[in-house]
Amino acid sequence: NAGVTQTPKFRILKIGQSMTLQCAQDMNHNYMYWYRQDPGMGLKLIYYSVGAGITDKGEVPNGYNVSRSTTEDFPLRLELAAPSQTSVYFCASMYRGDNSPLHFGNGTRLTVT
Amino acid sequence: KNQVEQSPQSLIILEGKNCTLQCNYTVSPFSNLRWYKQDTGRGPVSLTIMTFSENTKSNGRYTATLDADTKQSSLHITASQLSDSASYICVVSFRYGNNRLAFGKGNQVVVIP
Repeated sequence: NAGVTQTPKFRILKIGQSMTLQCAQDMNHNYMYWYRQDPGMGLKLIYYSVGAGITDKGEVPNGYNVSRSTTEDFPLRLELAAPSQTSVYFCASMYRGDNSPLHFGNGTRLTVT
Repeated sequence: KNQVEQSPQSLIILEGKNCTLQCNYTVSPFSNLRWYKQDTGRGPVSLTIMTFSENTKSNGRYTATLDADTKQSSLHITASQLSDSASYICVVSFRYGNNRLAFGKGNQVVVIP
């Protein structure tokens, strides 16, 4: 199993540009999450999904959108990039709720200038 | 107000020595408490998961303890190795609310030879 795969690893965007961060998992996990990690801060939840076709907002959803058309894929869309979105983005997945471990990808480092 | 507080923020230890990291939380009621290890430039990796009824769990040289009455947890690293240099993140799961997780900011550990 590859686990959770994120692409790209790095990206630089200009203000106002758009991009999609890709996330795929091959563990047949129902739950998938997008987090952002800013320096010196804990991870913040952007969006999550409990299954294909179901998504919901987390703590910091403004400026982002997601879709979940398949169990495997959970892309994160930035429509109009802003400097405040400079961060490291992590995708994670979990088999089911409660006491299952959360599996993280290795992140996408995004800079908006 | 952060619901998960970790201390110390950072520490330096000599290879072969032990260390203990602290986590205090206010999440209530909670379902489980997790410790993750995050190497620089990588995603977090699960070390331990403890339910509210457990008070200790080990994973190799890592031992986590939990006191649900005082809402405190600790992670003890025994006979530290250079590869233990990382950030250790305490995560508390809410019992209700679709597997919502509260993340601490992490304890940055540097092991020196």
